Parts: sequence; structure tokens; C-alpha cells
Amino acid sequence: DAKTTQPPSMDCAEGRAANLPCNHSTISGNEYVYWYRQIHSQGPQYIIHGLKNNETNEMASLIITEDRKSSTLILPHATLRDTAVYYCIVSLGSGTYKYIFGTGTRLKVLA
Amino acid sequence: EPEVTQTPSHQVTQMGQEVILRCVPISNHLYFYWYRQILGQKVEFLVSFYNNEISEKSEIFDDQFSVERPDGSNFTLKIRSTKLEDSAMYFCASSESGWGNPKEETQYFGPGTRLLVL
Repeated sequence: DAKTTQPPSMDCAEGRAANLPCNHSTISGNEYVYWYRQIHSQGPQYIIHGLKNNETNEMASLIITEDRKSSTLILPHATLRDTAVYYCIVSLGSGTYKYIFGTGTRLKVLA
Repeated sequence: EPEVTQTPSHQVTQMGQEVILRCVPISNHLYFYWYRQILGQKVEFLVSFYNNEISEKSEIFDDQFSVERPDGSNFTLKIRSTKLEDSAMYFCASSESGWGNPKEETQYFGPGTRLLVL
């Protein structure tokens, strides 16, 4: 089973920030948090990952709480093309080789 | 930007037939994966592959499934005798490594092959 829980769906107005939460209360010290998204039935697209520090790249920002039990993916200015299912995945990385996907959050960006 | 490619994009087959799904991973990547997604369900891990060996496989990956890296660029998933329940999107992924550096461990996914078994 996935080690993460996410709300099943969210709406966001175009141009506004989309904040997608994820709970990973059983995360262990050396596990990373990865975020992917899936548009329609396309392949999952990598967005960002982090361990304990906040991270930012050209797509999004990742805020991880100090206790690492939850995180938030922020899309600063959502567009219609950001409508997708967003997955938060906890991965040990080294040696585990697999991602365990949950059901994700279906984000709908509204015009 | 380098990307994972998969062929064919769609495959229709009769139950009991063999299918081979093909993937070209990103060129400097060393770890390869197959996942599947039945319509409306989660993405599920099938198998990982490194150094010409299976590293890990799930319960789904039974004797009907096999993987191969027949040359320096392709990575294939074979289903020997397809069943109706094999109908799904199959995604190939690759990562630069599996150890030590989370950036290198990030998996990049292909666009998928939609398999329909009739």
C-alpha cells in the first residue's frame, strides 16, 4: 500500500496558486518525497522531490514540514494545462527500485 | 530533452496471443522499470531491471511476463499468453541509477502502450 494519503480532488482558479497537500506520517529518516503528475492517461511526469528542505524548480515548489510527516506541492500560477492527477510518493530510493503510487489528487484548474 | 519512448502506442490482441511491448530508455540510464495501469485504477509496479537482471518484481509479474534488454537501446516486456485482465496501459520508466543520489534515482516515464486483449 502507498505510504501517502492525498485528498481525492481539488479545484483551483486559473492564475492562482494551487496547493496540494500530502500526508506521509510513517516516513522514515532516509526516505524522499517525490511528486509526479499524470495528464489524462499519459505517463507520469516528474515534478520535484525533497528530503527535508524546501525545494523549488521551474515547475513547482515543495514545502516539507519540519517533522516530515506532510508536504505541500505548490504550483504558483496554475494554468489549464496543469489539470492532472498529482501523486505524492515516498521512496527510499537506494535499492528499493519501485514507486508505490496511491490514488493521487485530481486537480482541476478552472478558467 | 531526452525522453523515454514506447512502441506501439496501441496494441490490440486476441486472448492467448503473445505480445511484446517495446521501450527505449533514456540513453545514459542504467535502471529500467515496467508499470501498468488498468483503466481507472492506480499505477502499479511490475518489475525493475539492472545489469541484465531483474532487481525486483511484484506479485503481478508472474511466469507469463518476461523482460529483456536485447540490445544497447531497447527494453522489452513480453506477455506470453495474454488474458483479458492484462488489458491496461503499460508504462516503461528509466533512471540514471538506483543508489545514492535521489536526483539520479528519479524515474522518467514513457508515454505508455495501451494494450487491449479481446
